Amino acid sequence: EVQLVQSRAEVKKPGESLKIACEASGYNFLNFWILWVRQVPGQGLEWMGVISPRDSDTRYSPSFQGQVTISVDKSTNSAFLQWNSLNASHTAVYYCARQAIQYDLTAGFDPWGQGTLVTVSS
Amino acid sequence: DIQMTQSPSTLSASVGDRVAITCRASQTLTNHLNWYQQRPGTAPKLLIYAASTLQSGVPARFSGSGSGAEYTLTISSLQPEDFATYYCQQSYSVPSSFGQGTKVEI
Repeated sequence: EVQLVQSRAEVKKPGESLKIACEASGYNFLNFWILWVRQVPGQGLEWMGVISPRDSDTRYSPSFQGQVTISVDKSTNSAFLQWNSLNASHTAVYYCARQAIQYDLTAGFDPWGQGTLVTVSS
Repeated sequence: DIQMTQSPSTLSASVGDRVAITCRASQTLTNHLNWYQQRPGTAPKLLIYAASTLQSGVPARFSGSGSGAEYTLTISSLQPEDFATYYCQQSYSVPSSFGQGTKVEI
């Protein structure tokens, strides 16, 4: 079974750093791009960026470029989303998702991880 | 970047109704349009990709149509588990983008 399992919820203070994880299983991790999506409570989905685990080719939305870092660790079949300095506007649920069809970035993303709630508060 | 606009923002319906949600893009997408369902408190789920192809395991009451810059998700007979929020997503170019969502409520 293809699964993406995300790290637990985090509560951080402004200015702190954070790295959240998305561990994949049930398929060849190298062959499918991973997407990260932000969802502020009560709001819609925002496309943050995608990464190819095979060569770490990464594409960011201009809205998130420079604000976050997306990476992978092939040895653990994991993708990561990282912030160097958090602030209250980063409070949201973050989802990872796998490219639905191998080699086809246009065919959507499925399945999705369960989401990681990040709360930034002093 | 491509802007995506869904209508309506909220849709009130009853079990058994036929409902349609529209997604308009700021430019042509050549059918690179996907639909997702998100039930409260859960992750989104891919329903349809390439405008009209049903993702494996998705009930046949869901269908997608459209071309150019305008696309439609239709649910032929609304079931209790279909009350959720639906999002379109353009995959024509990177960065990709989602519509603002359509909430289907009782």
